[in-house]
Amino acid sequence: DSGVTQTPKHLITATGQRVTLRCSPRSGDLSVYWYQQSLDQGLQFLIQYYNGEERAKGNILERFSAQQFPDLHSELNLSSLELGDSALYFCASSAGVQGFPLTNYGYTFGSGTRLTVV
Amino acid sequence: SQELEQSPQSLIVQEGKNLTINCTSSKTLYGLYWYKQKYGEGLIFLMMLQKGGEEKSHEKITAKLDEKKQQSSLHITASQPSHAGIYLCGADMYGNKLVFGAGTILRVKS
Repeated sequence: DSGVTQTPKHLITATGQRVTLRCSPRSGDLSVYWYQQSLDQGLQFLIQYYNGEERAKGNILERFSAQQFPDLHSELNLSSLELGDSALYFCASSAGVQGFPLTNYGYTFGSGTRLTVV
Repeated sequence: SQELEQSPQSLIVQEGKNLTINCTSSKTLYGLYWYKQKYGEGLIFLMMLQKGGEEKSHEKITAKLDEKKQQSSLHITASQPSHAGIYLCGADMYGNKLVFGAGTILRVKS
């Protein structure tokens, strides 16, 4: 157990639907990162939150949004789902100041949510 | 990510053999991470390198970052079936955004 908890582990939904993925960071970590992993695109950075505020954006579609709550858990919302959105979605967290990770810990990843859009 | 090039893409080695995986960037890396992933599972943190010339070892795995901080290598000594998986290098290229290479698939034959 890495300390980063992601739910649900598996999700199957139809095209056009909306889903919410949840992430609880490792205790004490203020930063949360979302990644998408697919066979053709590899591991792609989506978005980062630090202590409730958006800090960095990557290749995140407009149909996707995220937020980090006061208790530091984060949710990734995916809407108007398409077949191509099927992927593993990972959440990672890190300690450190201003979102920069501490040397000994790096970024800690959760076990992911496998999303299948049918 | 094309910002980080990993080689080889895949590797099959006989148990007991040594192997090296490389990770190269055209930009200076502010932090270089190595992760291992079993197919379909989460990423396991192996090591982080920050300083030019830095080298770290854990059990039979050694990672190095070159002096220019643009290339890193991961070396496994006397490979075992438990080493099989996908090895990913990641780098802090913009300060607080970790980008990854495409990964290297390692298979170890018994």
